[in-house]
Amino acid sequence: GENVEQHPSTLSVQEGDSAVIKCTYSDSASNYFPWYKQELGKRPQLIIDIRSNVGEKKDQRIAVTLNKTAKHFSLHITETQPEDSAVYFCAASSGGGADGLTFGKGTHLIIQP
Amino acid sequence: DAGITQSPRHKVTETGTPVTLRCHQTENHRYMYWYRQDPGHGLRLIHYSYGVKDTDKGEVSDGYSVSRSKTEDFLLTLESATSSQTSVYFCAISDRVGETQYFGPGTRLLVL
Repeated sequence: GENVEQHPSTLSVQEGDSAVIKCTYSDSASNYFPWYKQELGKRPQLIIDIRSNVGEKKDQRIAVTLNKTAKHFSLHITETQPEDSAVYFCAASSGGGADGLTFGKGTHLIIQP
Repeated sequence: DAGITQSPRHKVTETGTPVTLRCHQTENHRYMYWYRQDPGHGLRLIHYSYGVKDTDKGEVSDGYSVSRSKTEDFLLTLESATSSQTSVYFCAISDRVGETQYFGPGTRLLVL
């Protein structure tokens, strides 16, 4: 089955700086890669996603890049703000299996004032 | 948020007692999932359903069973709760396989 590795587990950046979170996946058949943000005590919520036929996608300060050859994808957050502090999860589709998505273990992003 | 509710939201129980968690959706999505979330482990799939009465095991299914008698409801049962099942449980729904999943608010379970 699919295996998703996520790094780093904790990332601390100064407010206003950029943050990058990286994930690798194992199943070359995976074709959908969402990113979720989870604030303390809340549910995970989708913030951006990318499909295998696209190399990059942006939404305001958030962007995701995908390298299918290397089987890795990354989340980029620019001009970080205090409200970006949260745990971020990457995920990959399980090659069409009904079990859906395989999640990384998460990155705790800390924005230092 | 998608129309997903979970009940109860918090529960404290004793080792050896049965516990049932309910996930209810109003989106008419075909696929439903139960995850547990523990520090350092992320979201781990317990069981999932791909239709009424159609369910299968996930990564960490031991000690758990599920049932789906209606499209809108997916029940997770701990037949005899153990302290290792203390966790936060999330339900998720999706309208297509391998696509975006929308999460419920979660249930915090403490087994003493």
